[in-house]
Amino acid sequence: ETGVTQSPTHLIKTRGQQVTLRCSSQSGHNTVSWYQQALGQGPQFIFQYYREEENGRGNFPPRFSGLQFPNYSSELNVNALELDDSALYLCASSLAGFGYGYTFGSGTRLTVV
Amino acid sequence: GENVEQHPSTLSVQEGDSAVIKCTYSDSASNYFPWYKQELGKRPQLIIDIRSNVGEKKDQRIAVTLNKTAKHFSLHITETQPEDSAVYFCATGGTSYGKLTFGQGTILTVHP
Repeated sequence: ETGVTQSPTHLIKTRGQQVTLRCSSQSGHNTVSWYQQALGQGPQFIFQYYREEENGRGNFPPRFSGLQFPNYSSELNVNALELDDSALYLCASSLAGFGYGYTFGSGTRLTVV
Repeated sequence: GENVEQHPSTLSVQEGDSAVIKCTYSDSASNYFPWYKQELGKRPQLIIDIRSNVGEKKDQRIAVTLNKTAKHFSLHITETQPEDSAVYFCATGGTSYGKLTFGQGTILTVHP
């Protein structure tokens, strides 16, 4: 059984640029959720993908978008990066949609300068 | 929306002591209450969870209690060990697809 893998592990971008983060879900899991964790804070829900469609979204602007592929892997795209977007981005996979039994990846540390 | 308050923000105990972390929540529809442990630079790991039809759940040295009427739940760690040192997060879920609402975290330090 493979766990959740995320790439890249670290990334530095300039304000205004665009970034794509990637996530491979755990074997057998069909749902992927993305979270943003600012330093010293708890993770904040961005959105969830199930069957290649977004089926839940947190309080994040439209410049945060995503995709899910037929193999259940997922991408998080952020356009027009702002300094406040600097955070750890976590991907979590699960079999059900309500957050039960999430398995988190190790995250991508994004720094916007 | 749901709001989860977690206390204390930091907790320091001696090895062998017990540690208790408490969370309160606002959405009475929440029915899933997980606890995550996050070591420095690592991913959050689920250590125990409870659903709303259960008042208490125990797994070796870790237990969670839930009071749905009062809308609070707690994590109890007995016989603490230095390797228990980490940040602990409570969360609520079960009402919206994929959404877990996390508390602010508790930094637990266990001194040898």
